[in-house]
Amino acid sequence: EMQLLESGGNLAQPGGSLRLSCAASGFTFSNYAMTWVRQAPGKGLEWVSSISGSGYSAYYVDSVKGRFTISRDSSKNTLYLQMNSLRAEDTARYYCAKNDGDWPLSNDYWGQGTLVTVSS
Amino acid sequence: EIVMTQSPATLSVSPGERATLSCRASQSIATKLAWYQHKPGRAPRLLIYGASTRATAIPARFSGSGSGTEFTLTISSLQSEDFAVYYCQHYNSWPYTFGQGTKLEIK
Repeated sequence: EMQLLESGGNLAQPGGSLRLSCAASGFTFSNYAMTWVRQAPGKGLEWVSSISGSGYSAYYVDSVKGRFTISRDSSKNTLYLQMNSLRAEDTARYYCAKNDGDWPLSNDYWGQGTLVTVSS
Repeated sequence: EIVMTQSPATLSVSPGERATLSCRASQSIATKLAWYQHKPGRAPRLLIYGASTRATAIPARFSGSGSGTEFTLTISSLQSEDFAVYYCQHYNSWPYTFGQGTKLEIK
């Protein structure tokens, strides 16, 4: 059975850092692109970042470019999102999602999410 | 950036009736469109990809259509479990933006 389990969400101060993790199981992790999507309180879904199955290609929404870094470790079947220079507007539930191929396209399986709160 | 606009924002429908949700792209995305269902406290679920292909285990009452800039998600006979928020998302070019969502509520 496929499973995506996010962790690492927490309360952080503005300007601080957090690293989110997404542990994957039930599929061949290295064969699939992965994506982070977030949902701020009371708002809709927002695509944040995607990484190809190889890990060589990564893409970001403009609002996080230069602050967030997506990465993956196929030996650990884990996806990461390093979040630096956090802002109040980064407060959201962050979902990791598996894509339906080695290139990011649609997100065919999602985790339950992890909550990030940025506040002083 | 491609802007995705969903309508209506809220749709009130009785169980057993048909629901039609719309999604418009600000420029052509061919059929590079997905629909997701999201319930509070749950993980989003992929319903449709490629504008019209049902994802694994999605009931046949869900159907998608459209190409270019105009897309539709139809739920033919609403069941109680279908009341949720629905999002469209394109994957034509970066960033892969979502629509703002349509909340489907019980009438």
